[in-house]
Amino acid sequence: DAGVIQSPRHEVTEMGQEVTLRCKPISGHNSLFWYRQTMMRGLELLIYFNNNVPIDDSGMPEDRFSAKMPNASFSTLKIQPSEPRDSAVYFCASINTGGVPNYGYTFGSGTRLTVV
Amino acid sequence: ILNVEQSPQSLHVQEGDSTNFTCSFPSSNFYALHWYRWETAKSPEALFVMTLNGDEKKKGRISATLNTKEGYSYLYIKGSQPEDSATYLCAPDQGGSEKLVFGKGTKLTVNP
Repeated sequence: DAGVIQSPRHEVTEMGQEVTLRCKPISGHNSLFWYRQTMMRGLELLIYFNNNVPIDDSGMPEDRFSAKMPNASFSTLKIQPSEPRDSAVYFCASINTGGVPNYGYTFGSGTRLTVV
Repeated sequence: ILNVEQSPQSLHVQEGDSTNFTCSFPSSNFYALHWYRWETAKSPEALFVMTLNGDEKKKGRISATLNTKEGYSYLYIKGSQPEDSATYLCAPDQGGSEKLVFGKGTKLTVNP
């Protein structure tokens, strides 16, 4: 398996533009998580899905952020309109839940977003 | 909000030194404790997932212990090497939700 695949790796956009980040989880994993890494707050959970259903979106900063998971192999995180304070590294992670928790998350390589 | 504390925030050791750091978390509703290793410019990689009080896990020179009653875990590195330089994150899973709340991490630098 190629692991969790995120695209793009880097994104530079102007304030006010729409940004879409993409994630392909590991095949067979039934939970997917979006995290944001900043210097101030470390790794913070934005939203997670179980079996393609959003379970907890309490970490989504505001209405400008939205996430979807239309099927088991694809998720998007959208920011519209983007602002400079959204600049961060966004990670996607997946895990196969249920049963004994022997394995941790598998993280993607992240998308470094810069909003100018 | 789940309070996860890791100490120290950063640590500099010499090659060959053994070191350890701490993760503290609420003991109520405990389900599992995850440790991750995060090298600069890479993504976090899972080291251990621990569930039982008194559990000890080992991977090479790295080991971890767990005390669920008092809410802490220790990570030990024996004979540190420069390639061990990374940020080590812990994250408890409360209630089996699989939703992890990460600590800020301990940044380890091993000098050759």
